[in-house]
Amino acid sequence: DAKTTQPTSMDCAEGRAANLPCNHSTISGNEYVYWYRQIHSQGPQYIIHGLKNNETNEMASLIITEDRKSSTLILPHATLRDTAVYYCIVRVAGSGYALNFGKGTSLLVTP
Amino acid sequence: GAVVSQHPSWVICKSGTSVKIECRSLDFQATTMFWYRQFPKQSLMLMATSNEGSKATYEQGVEKDKFLINHASLTLSTLTVTSAHPEDSSFYICSVNTGGTEKLFFGSGTQLSVL
Repeated sequence: DAKTTQPTSMDCAEGRAANLPCNHSTISGNEYVYWYRQIHSQGPQYIIHGLKNNETNEMASLIITEDRKSSTLILPHATLRDTAVYYCIVRVAGSGYALNFGKGTSLLVTP
Repeated sequence: GAVVSQHPSWVICKSGTSVKIECRSLDFQATTMFWYRQFPKQSLMLMATSNEGSKATYEQGVEKDKFLINHASLTLSTLTVTSAHPEDSSFYICSVNTGGTEKLFFGSGTQLSVL
């Protein structure tokens, strides 16, 4: 799986949009971009994934650049409960393999 | 969607004893489950892949005789930490591969403390 690079930490004010970047310059054509988050002392939670088109669900939006070498996860209106470590993972879809977690971005949402 | 149930949530045991952690897939028949370990302030590290009806596949550096994995049914995988020592204290998390949905679902984790 391609390697990803994320900032170690970010802050965001409650109610504002949180934009979390991820670089995956070695991504292959059949690899998807997945985002998970882990709230302290809990198991990771799936957020969203995409191949090349922008995606949106009830939790977040995923913007993937045209060359697919980077992406941004957007939490449109961050709340205190969004404080967590966010992981960007690149993986071949349907491969049946486990997810390989990097260090992720620790997002702190402040009042 | 798929729901993964993991028990216990936390366990404290004496050094030298064995601890069993259960991971159940409630909505999906999982031929494959994954076991992770997470030390404080670190990321999740894959320990092993649990395969229903066959032997588990362990990652390099993980002792298969110490971390026994049993996946006897399509809904249950267990991880037994044998002869636990303080250095085995960690957060253990299981994950279910739901195949075609492209998503992995995770249990809530088990915090193991070995005294």
